[in-house]
Amino acid sequence: DAGVTQSPTHLIKTRGQQVTLRCSPKSGHDTVSWYQQALGQGPQFIFQYYEEEERQRGNFPDRFSGHQFPNYSSELNVNALLLGDSALYLCASSWVGSQMPNYGYTFGSGTRLTVV
Amino acid sequence: GDSVTQMEGPVTLSEEAFLTINCTYTATGYPSLFWYVQYPGEGLQLLLKATKADDKGSNKGFEATYRKETTSFHLEKGSVQVSDSAVYFCALLTGNQFYFGTGTSLTVIP
Repeated sequence: DAGVTQSPTHLIKTRGQQVTLRCSPKSGHDTVSWYQQALGQGPQFIFQYYEEEERQRGNFPDRFSGHQFPNYSSELNVNALLLGDSALYLCASSWVGSQMPNYGYTFGSGTRLTVV
Repeated sequence: GDSVTQMEGPVTLSEEAFLTINCTYTATGYPSLFWYVQYPGEGLQLLLKATKADDKGSNKGFEATYRKETTSFHLEKGSVQVSDSAVYFCALLTGNQFYFGTGTSLTVIP
C-alpha cells in the first residue's frame, strides 16, 4: 500500500518564477494538507483541500495556491518566488471520515525547493 | 493563538542514557498532542500521540503523558540507542491543522 507520494523530490527555481508541486495521497485518503518547513524550523500549515475545495488556510499570502483533483491528488502552486520560499514542502493526507484524532494523517517525504 | 514550545537542541547523549525532551503548549480548545520524528532527508513519522488529558502515548520505548494542568507533553525514553538519532517535533492538532514546535535534534553516540 503506497503512502503519500510527492514530486519532484528536489528542484531549483529562480526568484520571480512560478513552481508547481504535486502530491498523491495514501490510498483511501480524501484530504490533502500542505506544510512548509523552513530549514531548522517546524512545519507550518499552508492549507488543506477536501472535495476539491480549500477547506482551511494558514497564514500564507495569496501567492500560494492549490488545487485538488477528482482522484484526490493535489498541487501546490507558488507564484513570484522569493528567496524566503526556499523550504521543504510536505504533503499530508488523511481521511475525513476517521473518528479519532490524528485521523490517520500520513506525511510524504517532501519536496525540497531552493530559490536562487 | 495555538502554539507549541519545545526544548531547543541540539541534544547529544551516550547510548543507554535517559532522554527527556520538554514540550509545552498553548491551546484554546482541547487539542490532541503528538510527537513526530524526522530522519535526515525524510518526511515526518508519527512516534506517539495522546488525545485527552492524562493519556499516555507510547511507542518503541518512548513515552509522553498529556498533562493538562501543566500544559505539557514531555517525551521520555529510558535508554536511547544510536538509531534514535533524529529530529523530534512536538505538535498539537486542533481542527484540521497541526501546530509544530521548532524541533529538537538528538544525536546518540556509541
